[in-house]
Amino acid sequence: LAKTTQPISMDSYEGQEVNITCSHNNIATNDYITWYQQFPSQGPRFIIQGYKTKVTNEVASLFIPADRKSSTLSLPRVSLSDTAVYYCLVGEENTNAGKSTFGDGTTLTVKP
Amino acid sequence: DAMVIQNPRYQVTQFGKPVTLSCSQTLNHNVMYWYQQKSSQAPKLLFHYYDKDFNNEADTPDNFQSRRPNTSFCFLDIRSPGLGDAAMYLCATSRVTGTPSEQYFGPGTRLTVT
Repeated sequence: LAKTTQPISMDSYEGQEVNITCSHNNIATNDYITWYQQFPSQGPRFIIQGYKTKVTNEVASLFIPADRKSSTLSLPRVSLSDTAVYYCLVGEENTNAGKSTFGDGTTLTVKP
Repeated sequence: DAMVIQNPRYQVTQFGKPVTLSCSQTLNHNVMYWYQQKSSQAPKLLFHYYDKDFNNEADTPDNFQSRRPNTSFCFLDIRSPGLGDAAMYLCATSRVTGTPSEQYFGPGTRLTVT
């Protein structure tokens, strides 16, 4: 399984764009990159998933360079409610299920 | 609207007393997972079911067992809880489509061992 490395914590202010980078140097050809958000005392919630280049949805963008050894989650104009832990996962999510492992996560604190 | 339901939300058990946590889903997903999450740590996969096919992680202690009697329900049994088993237990589901799909997590059951 590809191991991921993320910053332990990040601080930001309301209205700013936040970029969280995840390193996954030994990502395999069939691996996808998935990001989850977790609030205290809740289960993680899917944010975005990608394989290469750029993926955008209504809440975030995911940038993946050509070598796929890293990825960057971009949160536009964060608010206080975006304070949470963000996890980067790499793996074959579902061909035989459960092959993704949660990394240590990045605690994002958004300040007013 | 709840899609993955976990009961109870809080469970207190005594050291060595068996306990069962339950999870149900309304999504009709093929895969159900159990994770253990200790304070300030990432979720750790214990095992998962792909339909009726049980897949145990190599480092999951024998003390943890699981049952999936049908598509909708999955149970986590802790045969002899120790103090180190106090944690949040998360159930998740996902759909097998041939390409990776997201996991849907329940709210978790917080287990306290006294």
